[in-house]
Amino acid sequence: GAGVSQTPSNKVTEKGKYVELRCDPISGHTALYWYRQSLGQGPEFLIYFQGTGAADDSGLPNDRFFAVRPEGSVSTLKIQRTERGDSAVYLCASSPVGAGELFFGEGSRLTVL
Amino acid sequence: DAKTTQPNSMESNEEEPVHLPCNHSTISGTDYIHWYRQLPSQGPEYVIHGLTSNVNNRMASLAIAEDRKSSTLILHRATLRDAAVYYCTRKNAGGTSYGKLTFGQGTILTVHP
Repeated sequence: GAGVSQTPSNKVTEKGKYVELRCDPISGHTALYWYRQSLGQGPEFLIYFQGTGAADDSGLPNDRFFAVRPEGSVSTLKIQRTERGDSAVYLCASSPVGAGELFFGEGSRLTVL
Repeated sequence: DAKTTQPNSMESNEEEPVHLPCNHSTISGTDYIHWYRQLPSQGPEYVIHGLTSNVNNRMASLAIAEDRKSSTLILHRATLRDAAVYYCTRKNAGGTSYGKLTFGQGTILTVHP
């Protein structure tokens, strides 16, 4: 379909390893968001891109987390030196400029052992 | 960012109306009220949004209090497929955080046949 695509859907890694999570937004959507959702909680904002630039990265928990969107389309969330507390579902969403709704992907479930 | 407040859970019978309340007493004058719902292992799905006036769409109605400190999502005839976690969120309407959603804990809606 033409929805937001996230890969991998599941990722199991060991503590201390490096992880990349990919988001392919809906074609033409200039706004892209990353959220993190822990079990039983609502999604928590991480970062917002407008085009290629990060307009708001206030939700990134620390400098181990970084995200890029080099061509204004696909985005990659990068987590260095993973910790068990990073285990969560990482959600990506996109929207056209000025639109009301965000379109979410199904998420990437990260488990850090 | 102040989060919204919702009851942890609610129950309904099939084909009966459901009123899901939300408190957002610290909402700013330009923030929109958005509702999303989430099924297990899926990303949130947009339901409806509004600013000051009541809104209707094919999925639901949104009733917003005159002082904007609370709102109610109305499902006119609940079906089993409406069983989900419902999130009432604030959406920034300006500045660098334009479009950012702030989620609360959500309400788990159970629909009985």
